[in-house]
Amino acid sequence: EVQLVESGGGLVQPGRSLRLSCTVSGFTFGDYAMSWVRQAPGKGLEWVAFIRSTAYGGTTEYAASVKGRFTISRDDSKSIAYLQMNSLKTEDTAVYFCSSGWRLFDYWGQGTLVTVSS
Amino acid sequence: EIVLTQSPGTLSLSPGERATLSCRASQSVRRSYLAWYQQKPGQAPRLLIYGASSRATGIPDRFSGSGSGTDFTLTISRLEPEDFAVYYCQQYGSSPWTFGQGTKVEIK
Repeated sequence: EVQLVESGGGLVQPGRSLRLSCTVSGFTFGDYAMSWVRQAPGKGLEWVAFIRSTAYGGTTEYAASVKGRFTISRDDSKSIAYLQMNSLKTEDTAVYFCSSGWRLFDYWGQGTLVTVSS
Repeated sequence: EIVLTQSPGTLSLSPGERATLSCRASQSVRRSYLAWYQQKPGQAPRLLIYGASSRATGIPDRFSGSGSGTDFTLTISRLEPEDFAVYYCQQYGSSPWTFGQGTKVEIK
């Protein structure tokens, strides 16, 4: 059974940092690209970032709204994808989902809530 | 960036009825790289359709997608109780990938 489990969310002050983790089981993590998609409270979905598999160079791309502040990475030995979020803003408040794939999102985690507030 | 506009915002229908959801793109979606997702309250989205018309694994055949260029449609032939949810379209032909704002299908 495929499982993606996010962790690391919580309440953080504007300007601070937070690192999210996505632990994967049920498929060969190293063969897959991984993405983060977020959803602000009561709003729609927004793609945040992806990282390709190591076989494809592990290259990354970011949405303009987070570029330069967020960094996606992966640890294939642990089957974990990360999202390092720096210089957080109130508008980053959202549920953050990790998903397999780099442009089409087939498997999803249940999400972790990040609240940016003073 | 490609903007996707979904209509209607809310669709009020009864079980057994046919649902037709629209997704219009601000520019042509390359190679019909258009997907549809279903999301229920408190849950993650679920991939239904990719490539505009291909059903994802395990998706019932009452769900079908069509369209090309800038106009796409998701059709649910006969609504089941579990189909009442919010539906999003997403284009993945041009970075950044973008989603529509969603259509809520509610019980009439």
